[in-house]
Amino acid sequence: EVQLVESGGGLVQPGGSLRLSCAASGFTFSSYWMHWVRQAPGKGLVWVSRINSDGSSTSYADSVKGRFTISRDNAKNTLYLQMNSLRAEDTAVYYCARSERFWSGNYYYYYMDVWGKGTTVTVSS
Amino acid sequence: DIQMTQSPSSLSASVGDRVTITCRASQSISSFLNWYQQKPGKAPKLLIYAASSLQSGVPSRFSGSGSGTDFTLTISSLQPEDFATYYCQQSDSTPWTFGQGTKVEIK
Repeated sequence: EVQLVESGGGLVQPGGSLRLSCAASGFTFSSYWMHWVRQAPGKGLVWVSRINSDGSSTSYADSVKGRFTISRDNAKNTLYLQMNSLRAEDTAVYYCARSERFWSGNYYYYYMDVWGKGTTVTVSS
Repeated sequence: DIQMTQSPSSLSASVGDRVTITCRASQSISSFLNWYQQKPGKAPKLLIYAASSLQSGVPSRFSGSGSGTDFTLTISSLQPEDFATYYCQQSDSTPWTFGQGTKVEIK
């Protein structure tokens, strides 16, 4: 079964750090780009970051750039999100998601086809 | 950044109704548009990718259309399990962005 399981969430004080993990199983993890998406309580989905299959290329939302670092260990089938200088507005459920692609004959279309159940991060004093 | 705007923000409908949700991009995104369904306390689920391609295992009552800046998600006959929040998302360029969501409620 294709599965993503997040862990590492919890309560942290403003200015603190946390590292989230996402364990992948049931597919060849090293072949896929991966994403982090978050959802603040009662709010919509917000894309946070993505990493390519070998970890050589990353991208971030402006709101987390310089504070968060996405990485992966393909030998351990695990995706990470290192979160530093945390703020109250970072409070959210954090989901990891697999990035699949579809070749139309002209373009590759990308989408997030497998999602974990999420891990909750609360930033509060 | 590309802004995605959904309408309506919420709607009430009955089982068996045809439901249409609209998503508009702030600039042309060709067909780089995906739709997700999310139920309370659950992770999002992919419904439609590349604007009109149905994800494997998703019922055929769901369909997507559009290109450029205007897109629609249609549920041809609403079922009890379809009451949820729906999000569009563009994958034309980073940062990927989502619409604000459309909550489909029971009338």
